[in-house]
Amino acid sequence: VQLQESGPALVKPSETLSLTCTVSGDSITSGSHYWTWIRQPAGKALEWIGRIHPSGSAHYNPSLESRGTVSIDTSKNQFSLNLGSVTAADTAVYYCARHTVRWFDSWGQGTLVTVSS
Amino acid sequence: DIQMTQSPSSLSASVGNRVTITCRASQDIRSYLNWYQQKPGKAPKLLIFGASSLQSGVPSRFSGSGSGTDFTLTISSLEPEDFASYYCQQSYTTPLTFGGGTKVDIK
Repeated sequence: VQLQESGPALVKPSETLSLTCTVSGDSITSGSHYWTWIRQPAGKALEWIGRIHPSGSAHYNPSLESRGTVSIDTSKNQFSLNLGSVTAADTAVYYCARHTVRWFDSWGQGTLVTVSS
Repeated sequence: DIQMTQSPSSLSASVGNRVTITCRASQDIRSYLNWYQQKPGKAPKLLIFGASSLQSGVPSRFSGSGSGTDFTLTISSLEPEDFASYYCQQSYTTPLTFGGGTKVDIK
């Protein structure tokens, strides 16, 4: 299975960060996995953002204060992240990952998103 | 939220050394603990899941142990490719949380 993040590398403060993860080698509708977003500010630890199941069930990190939404597009075998009202603190490398049972077994390569005017 | 505390935050070691990294959870997480390796500029890679199960393809020099609140990742004999950062992660409950990481560098 391979995952690939895509989206703008630069987002202005107060705007919405939008990223897409394209999955190949596995069906996003298989029902066996959650599909997850994780981020990592430069030199810092990993932070779980949220996840979605093909059933539509989604869970988010409360630290995002309800700014994040994860959605799924089964026709394109993709899932997406929208993070609103961004600030410089949202600057990070964003990873998409497959959440199998209770661990992240496949990851995208990551994409750096910078929040700056 | 469950806080995950790793120690040490960094260590220096030589090839062939035995290395032990610890991870402590702020509450009982049973065996829902995973370990990842991350090299600079790369995505994390799953090493150990369920506290002690080795992911397919991971060398047997890596091992994990523990349950409840205290966990350990051990590298029995450090190889040059093992110089990296290591993160623990609890999967007991959301929000899923990671430790602060341990950087292993060359002595």
